[in-house]
Amino acid sequence: NAGVTQTPKFQVLKTGQSMTLQCAQDMNHEYMSWYRQDPGMGLRLIHYSVGAGITDQGEVPNGYNVSRSTTEDFPLRLLSAAPSQTSVYFCASKTGGYEQYFGPGTRLTVT
Amino acid sequence: GQQVMQIPQYQHVQEGEDFTTYCNSSTTLSNIQWYKQRPGGHPVFLIQLVKSGEVKKQKRLTFQFGEAKKNSSLHITATQTTDVGTYFCAGPLGGNQFYFGTGTSLTVIP
Repeated sequence: NAGVTQTPKFQVLKTGQSMTLQCAQDMNHEYMSWYRQDPGMGLRLIHYSVGAGITDQGEVPNGYNVSRSTTEDFPLRLLSAAPSQTSVYFCASKTGGYEQYFGPGTRLTVT
Repeated sequence: GQQVMQIPQYQHVQEGEDFTTYCNSSTTLSNIQWYKQRPGGHPVFLIQLVKSGEVKKQKRLTFQFGEAKKNSSLHITATQTTDVGTYFCAGPLGGNQFYFGTGTSLTVIP
């Protein structure tokens, strides 16, 4: 199993550009989530999904969209990138009330 | 705002010294998890605590869940350079939302 994969690993955007961060898991996990990590802030939940077709907002959803058309994939879309969205983005998945498995992260810089 | 707080934010210890990080939630948690993130890496699950007052050990690591299930601690005995990283607690708040603490960054000086 590949676990949780994320692409790209690094990305530089200009303010106003849009892009999609990809996340996929091959563990048949129902629950998937996106976090952003900023220095001193820990990991903050952006959006999450409890299954295909179901998504919900987390703590910091503004400026981000998600969709979950399949169990495996959970892409995160930045609609109009802003410098405040410069961060490291992690995708995670889990089953039931157990541990979350994290992807390797995407390091995004918005200039 | 941040609903799960951790202290301290940073800790520098000499190799061989002990280390403790504390996690406090604004609400009662059904369970609490601990993760470790090595520099440049991603969070990796360490353990889950479920019961009030629960204590679990993993070699030199001791995890406790408070009686009120609103706080937790991680204690490392005789730190080693391999313990370097950031330690996060995390718990379910508001149904399916899983919140992470602010993390404690541990530096071990050889």
